Amino acid sequence: AQRVTQPEKLLSVFKGAPVELKCNYSYSGSPELFWYVQYSRQRLQLLLRHISRESIKGFTADLNKGETSFHLKKPFAQEEDSAMYYCALQGKDSSYKLIFGSGTRLLVRP
Amino acid sequence: DAGITQSPRHKVTETGTPVTLRCHQTENHRYMYWYRQDPGHGLRLIHYSYGVKDTDKGEVSDGYSVSRSKTEDFLLTLESATSSQTSVYFCAIIPGGANTEAFFGQGTRLTVV
Repeated sequence: AQRVTQPEKLLSVFKGAPVELKCNYSYSGSPELFWYVQYSRQRLQLLLRHISRESIKGFTADLNKGETSFHLKKPFAQEEDSAMYYCALQGKDSSYKLIFGSGTRLLVRP
Repeated sequence: DAGITQSPRHKVTETGTPVTLRCHQTENHRYMYWYRQDPGHGLRLIHYSYGVKDTDKGEVSDGYSVSRSKTEDFLLTLESATSSQTSVYFCAIIPGGANTEAFFGQGTRLTVV
């Protein structure tokens, strides 16, 4: 079964602290993995794709196939990072549909 | 925003009434999706379309139907709205196919009373 698990509903940190948002997936094969972010009153938007191996807004995510994880990390959180974060996988079928986790709300306190 | 808009943005309706939500895109992309967003569940796929008159079910399709008679419009219909269908509904397109960015509409907040 295809499944994405985000164990934390809420993660609260102070500004400048490191952040790690956890994501585990279940998929028979090698899916494509993404992190999407939804800032207050804005549309859901792409933050990262695993294949691009880039850093966006200081965030990185490493795919660990052995642990089937794709955790999102940032060394120093900023208040503007407060948002809802969704991990998503895209299977290899021709529908290209995204399967989302339940989301983690990140709150960065001043 | 990849030219994707949803209407209406907000709607309150009574239990048992039919409701249609519209997703409109301006760039003739083939793949369109309807999701619902609920606390604790994230976004769950309701239905999707891969072309005019070509649609398929997602994981939470019961109580919903869709139609796509034109490339640019993807309609989601609740035949007889129930309180469990109170949610925020998002339309999405994936212009580039595999491993490419999905673009989302602004969302429609539907309340069934």
